Amino acid sequence: AQSVTQLGSHVSVSEGALVLLRCNYSSSVPPYLFWYVQYPNQGLQLLLKYTSAATLVKGINGFEAEFKKSETSFHLTKPSAHMSDAAEYFCAVRRTDSWGKLQFGAGTQVVVTP
Amino acid sequence: EAGVVQSPRYKIIEKKQPVAFWCNPISGHNTLYWYRQNLGQGPELLIRYENEEAVDDSQLPKDRFSAERLKGVDSTLKIQPAELGDSAVYLCASSPTEGYNEQFFGPGTRLTVL
Repeated sequence: AQSVTQLGSHVSVSEGALVLLRCNYSSSVPPYLFWYVQYPNQGLQLLLKYTSAATLVKGINGFEAEFKKSETSFHLTKPSAHMSDAAEYFCAVRRTDSWGKLQFGAGTQVVVTP
Repeated sequence: EAGVVQSPRYKIIEKKQPVAFWCNPISGHNTLYWYRQNLGQGPELLIRYENEEAVDDSQLPKDRFSAERLKGVDSTLKIQPAELGDSAVYLCASSPTEGYNEQFFGPGTRLTVL
């Protein structure tokens, strides 16, 4: 079985401040890990993915995430928040031996204040 | 390149009525997914197609939900009859092949059952 836990359903950050979204996973086999972003009334867009190569993954829009096996974590960060980062963010896991099936976390809503 | 197209974008029906959602994946994508996203939650897979074959429909409530992907291109998801608890966003996604490490999502259909 596999599962994803996102800590904090809502996060408020000031413009220019660090964005940190937490994701912990459980998986009985090595996982592939993903972060998606969802803007209002839109579908999900892939931010970045970990597929067993480098543990520090850089994505679009200045986001990056680090895979830490010992902590079963895949936290998402961005050094300086922009107003356009306001959205909902989903962490997802897929087993390396399971084709296609993504297990999503419940999501974290990010609010950026001026 | 056009993205995943879904229609309608919004649908309001009364309970016990039927409803259908349509999805046209990205051209050339063999794998198609239907997800349901309840309010405040991450998407949950309902069914996955590889070409015209449903390879994973274990989460599809088969008493009232049905899906088809004739000719292995566009797909229709149907609910009959709809229940109040079916109110959600129904997302369609596609990928080039089964297991490809990115799923491309459409904007979704927001269903409200009254």
